[in-house]
Amino acid sequence: GAVVSQHPSWVICKSGTSVKIECRSLDFQATTMFWYRQFPKQSLMLMATSNEGSKATYEQGVEKDKFLINHASLTLSTLTVTSAHPEDSSFYICSALRGTHTDTQYFGPGTRLTVL
Amino acid sequence: GQSLEQPSEVTAVEGAIVQINCTYQTSGFYGLSWYQQHDGGAPTFLSYNALDGLEETGRFSSFLSRSDSYGYLLLQELQMKDSASYFCAFGMDGGFKTIFGAGTRLFVKA
Repeated sequence: GAVVSQHPSWVICKSGTSVKIECRSLDFQATTMFWYRQFPKQSLMLMATSNEGSKATYEQGVEKDKFLINHASLTLSTLTVTSAHPEDSSFYICSALRGTHTDTQYFGPGTRLTVL
Repeated sequence: GQSLEQPSEVTAVEGAIVQINCTYQTSGFYGLSWYQQHDGGAPTFLSYNALDGLEETGRFSSFLSRSDSYGYLLLQELQMKDSASYFCAFGMDGGFKTIFGAGTRLFVKA
């Protein structure tokens, strides 16, 4: 059990367009999901905490108007990169918290975003 | 502030034992976790230490010393498939959020 999916697995878009990435917990409910960003050969950087039924909590330096997060149900969180630019190109990874502690989070397979 | 330090690269031969160290600094600590990530893939959970001591899971073991703000991941009987990046991470905000170290790239040679 504890499977998390992401869609799409990769996306290429033109500069100025918006891209939506979905994160789903397939076999458990997750009131909390996390969104990370990872540049090549670098660490995962926590962008925001997504809470079902309430506003996301963004980490310092992350633009909430650029990275819109919606946690509409207990199994789905979406990240929308608005007006994407080449510098937004990155690997975006979500995780879903099954319990209440960090060691019970399960990661999705990631979404590779390339902005031309 | 919060930070984790780990070596950037480690190289070892197949069948050997390798230890990846991690030192951390944080005001609130809720355990040290280790993750493995292959290129292009998502992190997979390896181990978690909430208390001091050694945790063993098959070929992988993890150690924590809270008084020294130090931990390590021990990989035994190295296999080529163990070539990957390994991240230490700690929980904060009550253990709720995870902060990752920069990662250690492990290269296993034949």
